[in-house]
Amino acid sequence: DTGVSQDPRHKITKRGQNVTFRCDPISEHNRLYWYRQTLGQGPEFLTYFQNEAQLEKSRLLSDRFSAERPKGSFSTLEIQRTEQGDSAMYLCAGDRGLNEQFFGPGTRLTVL
Amino acid sequence: DQQVKQNSPSLSVQEGRISILNCDYTNSMFDYFLWYKKYPAEGPTFLISISSIKDKNEDGRFTVFLNKSAKHLSLHIVPSQPGDSAVYFCAATSSGNTPLVFGKGTRLSVIA
Repeated sequence: DTGVSQDPRHKITKRGQNVTFRCDPISEHNRLYWYRQTLGQGPEFLTYFQNEAQLEKSRLLSDRFSAERPKGSFSTLEIQRTEQGDSAMYLCAGDRGLNEQFFGPGTRLTVL
Repeated sequence: DQQVKQNSPSLSVQEGRISILNCDYTNSMFDYFLWYKKYPAEGPTFLISISSIKDKNEDGRFTVFLNKSAKHLSLHIVPSQPGDSAVYFCAATSSGNTPLVFGKGTRLSVIA
């Protein structure tokens, strides 16, 4: 158990709806990352935070995606106007300033 | 372009024998490498890592070897156990540029 929790574990939504996911890292994780994994692929980086500052966003993060980490603790990832191509496992990870990242169980999103 | 490649999608090994999982990378800026193990419906679990200043790192049944000139690393598991059956991801990063870049994974099946 890495201590990183994600909620919900599963989300089914209809195309065009908005969804929000939450990640709670452990207190020692000053950096927090979001990745997306689709079938047959490895996790792909979306964005990361150092405390409450969002330091990097990948090209995968379209304008429909937004992430926050308001107090440097938990983080939320929102997808607006979901599309079927957004169906994936969304993974959150934390680190303590070292290279090893510790992942939560993920949120599986299915867009119908 | 894929910067981290795992060219074997799957591998089958007898219980008790050695499992060797391979990974190649193209980005010369990568200087830290990690292996993760993933069961279905769970997040990746950190296994072992290696810095580019080393060529070998060992932790129990798991050993990672790094050949910088060939831009190749491998994970050895010995002896293999049925509980090792999972998807294994190789990941790489550059110090100071912390998002991990993952390969597509290798599915290991350890047969009793």
